[in-house]
Amino acid sequence: EPEVTQTPSHQVTQMGQEVILRCVPISNHLYFYWYRQILGQKVEFLVSFYNNEISEKSEIFDDQFSVERPDGSNFTLKIRSTKLEDSAMYFCASRREGSGGQETQYFGPGTRLLVL
Amino acid sequence: AQRVTQPEKLLSVFKGAPVELKCNYSYSGSPELFWYVQYSRQRLQLLLRHISRESIKGFTADLNKGETSFHLKKPFAQEEDSAMYYCALSGPPYNNAGNMLTFGGGTRLMVKP
Repeated sequence: EPEVTQTPSHQVTQMGQEVILRCVPISNHLYFYWYRQILGQKVEFLVSFYNNEISEKSEIFDDQFSVERPDGSNFTLKIRSTKLEDSAMYFCASRREGSGGQETQYFGPGTRLLVL
Repeated sequence: AQRVTQPEKLLSVFKGAPVELKCNYSYSGSPELFWYVQYSRQRLQLLLRHISRESIKGFTADLNKGETSFHLKKPFAQEEDSAMYYCALSGPPYNNAGNMLTFGGGTRLMVKP
C-alpha cells in the first residue's frame, strides 16, 4: 500500500539556520499539507497546498516558512531562520482529489526537528 | 473558530471493559469529524469518520450535533487497542480549497491485561 514518506526522520540544527523538510506524497494525491506537533501539545495545521499554490495557511505559517513542490514528487517545507520554538514533530499529509472533507488525509511518519 | 476538545489525556481500562473516548467540538457550520489513531512508533492513521457510519476494529462513533460531540466507543477493549487517539474536525465537503484538520489534544488509551 502506498505511503507518504518524509526525510529526514530527525534533524538537529542551530538557531538561525535554514532547514528543509522533505515529503513524498502518495503519487496520485493532489492536496498536500504540513502539520506540526510541539512536544506535549496538539497537532496543529500549518499549510495546505493544491495546484502549485497555497490554499490555506495558519497564523503559525509566517514569513519564515515556505512550501514548494519542486519536481512533481517532492513537497518541501522550508524554515528560513529557525527559532527555538520551531522544535517540534513536523507531519506531512496528502489526499486525493474529491469532495474535501470526505477524503482521508494520509500522514507521513514525521520529522523531529530540534533547534538548539 | 473551530476547536476540538478531548477532556481526558489518559484513559486506563482493563481488557474486556467498555471504552469511551470523549470528543467535543466547536464549529459554526456542518463539520466532518474523524478519529485518528497513533500506535506506538507508527504514523497517524485514520480510524473512522462520521460520514462513513462504519465500525472499525470494533470502534464506533456517533456525531451528536445537539451536544456537539463525537465520542469514540468500543464495548470490549483489547490490549492491542492501546494507542494515542485523536479526534479531528474538517470543513464541509463542498469546501474544496484545503480542508485543514483541527485536532484535539489526544487521549492515550491504555488497556491493561
